[in-house]
Amino acid sequence: QVQLVESGGGVVQPGGSLRLSCAASGFTFSSYGMHWVRQAPGKGLEWVAFIRYDGSNKYYADSVKGRFTISRDNSKNTLYLQMNSLRAEDTAVYYCAKDLIAVAGSFFGWADYWGQGTLVTVSS
Amino acid sequence: QSALTQPASVSGSPGQSITISCTGTSSDVGSYNLVSWYQQHPGKAPKLMIYEVSKRPSGVSNRFSGSKSGNTASLTISGLQAEDEADYYCCSYAGSSTFPVVFGGGTKLTVL
Repeated sequence: QVQLVESGGGVVQPGGSLRLSCAASGFTFSSYGMHWVRQAPGKGLEWVAFIRYDGSNKYYADSVKGRFTISRDNSKNTLYLQMNSLRAEDTAVYYCAKDLIAVAGSFFGWADYWGQGTLVTVSS
Repeated sequence: QSALTQPASVSGSPGQSITISCTGTSSDVGSYNLVSWYQQHPGKAPKLMIYEVSKRPSGVSNRFSGSKSGNTASLTISGLQAEDEADYYCCSYAGSSTFPVVFGGGTKLTVL
């Protein structure tokens, strides 16, 4: 069965960095695009980043562009989110999610399996 | 990039049908049949309920249906059940090369 397990969350000071990881299993990781989606406490969903199945295309929300980097290691079935210059407004639960369509060339926002989420708290 | 408008809340009684609207523009909802809907229960990860306007992923109840007219997409839940009480989010492809997806702010469904 598909499993996505995020790790790397925690408390960090403003301006600091964190790297989130998402270990995937139960599907052919290298065939699917992957998403990072976050949810601030009591707020709605915010798509943070998406990476194509082969890593050739990456998309970022304006709110994180230039500060966050999405990447993947298909040999390790792992998705990453490097977060730099963190701000208080980045405080959220971060979910990784698998795209619905295999070897899709486009990002449609369709994510059919999600991890349990990892909490990132940016506070001094 | 939250650009789609959803009502903050809707409610209905068990057995009834409800519809949640999602209004965008001619650049997103109106131009592409690529609207999706997510359900999220408190403290849980979101669940994809509808994609490509009206398609259901495997395992999603046929009580959930999607449609679109012009710049507005809709999610209809028939035979409302207590377990349907959740937040619902819509999402649409918008064609931008930088970030091609826009989404709504969410609707809280209360089952009375």
